[in-house]
Order: sequence, then C-alpha cells, then structure tokens
Amino acid sequence: AQSVTQPDIHITVSEGASLELRCNYSYGATPYLFWYVQSPGQGLQLLLKYFSGDTLVQGIKGFEAEFKRSQSSFNLRKPSVHWSDAAEYFCAVGDPNTGGFKTIFGAGTRLFVKA
Amino acid sequence: DGGITQSPKYLFRKEGQNVTLSCEQNLNHDAMYWYRQDPGQGLRLIYYSQIVNDFQKGDIAEGYSVSREKKESFPLTVTSAQKNPTAFYLCASRLNLRGESIQPQHFGDGTRLSIL
Repeated sequence: AQSVTQPDIHITVSEGASLELRCNYSYGATPYLFWYVQSPGQGLQLLLKYFSGDTLVQGIKGFEAEFKRSQSSFNLRKPSVHWSDAAEYFCAVGDPNTGGFKTIFGAGTRLFVKA
Repeated sequence: DGGITQSPKYLFRKEGQNVTLSCEQNLNHDAMYWYRQDPGQGLRLIYYSQIVNDFQKGDIAEGYSVSREKKESFPLTVTSAQKNPTAFYLCASRLNLRGESIQPQHFGDGTRLSIL
C-alpha cells in the first residue's frame, strides 16, 4: 500500500536561513507528488507538484522540491525562510493507477520561524 | 472568483445529534472529497465522489454519510454513530481531465466541529 512519511513533526529555523523538509514515499512506481501548505485554521494551498520530467520542481513562494527516485524522496527546500512561512507543510502522493482519485497525505511538518 | 466554500466555519454538536457540513464549489470540478484532520495525523479521507450521484467510502467512513445530487455540492453528515467527531473537516475538489496528468486538489477553509 502507498504511504507517505514526513519524519520531522516540527522544525524551527531562523529567519533568513535555508530550509529543507523531508518526505519519503512508498510506492511501486513513480507516483504523483505534491507539497501543500496550511496556515492555522485554513485549508491547504498547493505549493508545487511533480508528475514527470525534470526532477527539480519550482513552486510558489520561492519553494522548490527535488524528486529522487533512488531514495523515494521528494524533499521541499527554500533558500531563505521568511517569518510568513511559518505554517504546516504536507507532502502528498497520488496513485496513477486509481486515476489519481485518491491522494495520501503525510502527517505534516510544522515549521516555526524565529527572528 | 472561483473556489470552495465550506460552512459553517465553527459548529457545535450535542451528544446524539446529527449535523451536516456544507461544501460548495464553483470551479466546475468533477471530483469532490471530505477529509478529517486531527493534530499529528494529517488528513484522513472520509468519502469521495467522482461524479454526480456516485460516491465511495474512504478510509474512515464509519459514522459519516454524504450525498452528491449536484456537481457543485457535496454535503457531509456527521451522525450520532460517530463517537469522536471533534475535528477539523476539510472539503476538496479536483478537475478530472481525460488523458491528462492528475490535477491537484483544491481545498476549502474547513469547518471545526466540537462536541458540547
């Protein structure tokens, strides 16, 4: 069965520092991969997605993610974090074999930004 | 602006009561979803619907019911059989494109349900 693991429950970084959020998935082939961000009390907003092609994907708000098939990973990065980036981040996997009707979400990583 | 509207934002339920959460979208999306979010557990799928008048159970459907009579509406009823309904509920929708890559889900701003 598919699964998504976000190993870090929470991460704290200083404003201006770089950020990397980890995501590992379990799936027999290349799944569809997503990163979403959620501010408190709100819904999820899509940051970026990967289906095929270039393994380095650019998203909104200065985020990027790299797909590494050998490591079954899709880590999210940002070179310089802003205080407004404090939120919860979810990695998600869509199963191409179901036509993508079901998406599995990781448990999330909460990002704290210190001044 | 197109989007997904969930109402109400906050909802309180008494023991033994059924409550219905509303989800409306004007994105002309085919598929709609209901998720439950609990702290530290991410999102868990309750029900989803690919087309009007059709829906499937997700991973935690017990104690919940849905209907899909119109393309733009997918209400969720939390029944008295759901013993632990306190959670944040998120509705999402997605456009299904024939022959295209999967499209991401778009989310509403959620409804927080609490037990009185």
